[in-house]
Amino acid sequence: GENVEQHPSTLSVQEGDSAVIKCTYSDSASNYFPWYKQELGKRPQLIIDIRSNVGEKKDQRIAVTLNKTAKHFSLHITETQPEDSAVYFCAASVRGADGLTFGKGTHLIIQP
Amino acid sequence: KAGVTQTPRYLIKTRGQQVTLSCSPISGHRSVSWYQQTPGQGLQFLFEYFSETQRNKGNFPGRFSGRQFSNSRSEMNVSTLELGDSALYLCASSLSGTQETQYFGPGTRLLVL
Repeated sequence: GENVEQHPSTLSVQEGDSAVIKCTYSDSASNYFPWYKQELGKRPQLIIDIRSNVGEKKDQRIAVTLNKTAKHFSLHITETQPEDSAVYFCAASVRGADGLTFGKGTHLIIQP
Repeated sequence: KAGVTQTPRYLIKTRGQQVTLSCSPISGHRSVSWYQQTPGQGLQFLFEYFSETQRNKGNFPGRFSGRQFSNSRSEMNVSTLELGDSALYLCASSLSGTQETQYFGPGTRLLVL
């Protein structure tokens, strides 16, 4: 089955700086890659997703890039703000297969 | 629209018992997925139901089962509980499958003693 590795497990950045979280996946048939944000004590919420026919997608301060050859995808957050502090999960899935496979999560800490 | 709801929110059971958790999806959503969240293993996919049929299944033992009703509400059952089943169980709904926005419920926190 699919295996997703996520790095780093903890990331601390100064407010206003950029943050980058990286994930690699094992199944070359994976074609859908969402990112979820989970604040402490709350439910995960989708923040952005990308499909395998697209190399990059942006939504305001958030962007995701996908490199199918290397089987990795990354989340980029620019101009970080205190409300960006949360755990971020990447995931991958193969249509018709085993649902979403999640990475272990990255705890993003925004330092004031 | 009302969000995804789960009942109960907290549950304490002892080893060997069984438990049933319930999930009510967003109105109009036909796909319901279940996930187990633990500090050590993170978020793990259990299964997905669509139109009352299990469409996908993760790598969990047969003690974990589920079903979906005609109104898309779903239940999951864990039989012969083990200490390692202690976790937050999240359900998520979407219009038609796991490759679109999943809307998560608040979860049921299960503690097995």
